Amino acid sequence: EDKVVQSPLSLVVHEGDTVTLNCSYEVTNFRSLLWYKQEKKAPTFLFMLTSSGIEKKSGRLSSILDKKELSSILNITATQTGDSAIYLCAHMEYGNKLVFGAGTILRVKS
Amino acid sequence: EAGVTQSPTHLIKTRGQQATLRCSPISGHTSVYWYQQALGLGLQFLLWYDEGEERNRGNFPPRFSGRQFPNYSSELNVNALELEDSALYLCASSLGLAVSYNEQFFGPGTRLTVL
Repeated sequence: EDKVVQSPLSLVVHEGDTVTLNCSYEVTNFRSLLWYKQEKKAPTFLFMLTSSGIEKKSGRLSSILDKKELSSILNITATQTGDSAIYLCAHMEYGNKLVFGAGTILRVKS
Repeated sequence: EAGVTQSPTHLIKTRGQQATLRCSPISGHTSVYWYQQALGLGLQFLLWYDEGEERNRGNFPPRFSGRQFPNYSSELNVNALELEDSALYLCASSLGLAVSYNEQFFGPGTRLTVL
């Protein structure tokens, strides 16, 4: 069964710091990797990475897929308190099933 | 553009009862997905509907079922509720089968509490 592992489990940083969140995957057939931000309830979509789109950027957030290392990173630069959330990584299997990691809890202190 | 909506926000039931949760997808989306987020277990895939048909099912017992209506909204039914069914139930929607890579967009969820 496909498996997604995220690290670290939790992280505390100060405003202005840069953070890197990690996601590794063991899957039968890689299809796509997705990143979400979950604050209170609804996970908010951030990025989708595929074999043809291995790098994405939006403002202070960016993500890279390393197919050789079977991993992905999510970078957040110049962190703000509003970045405090759980960041979820998921592999989309064939059959459109998302297999999620346990998430990384990020807390940004002012 | 309106996002995915879910109702009710909270639902309290007792063991053995049935629960019905509802979801309306983003306009233009034909696929609806259901996920369970129980404490300590993370997000688990339940069901995928597209064009009114069940397309994929997660590792859950048959008392978890659902349907999709002609307007693409969906219902999740949980029969014979057990205490461990207490969780946040999230609905997501995406473009349909014809699109190869589909981001899934989530609704705010329904918090189900089984007493």
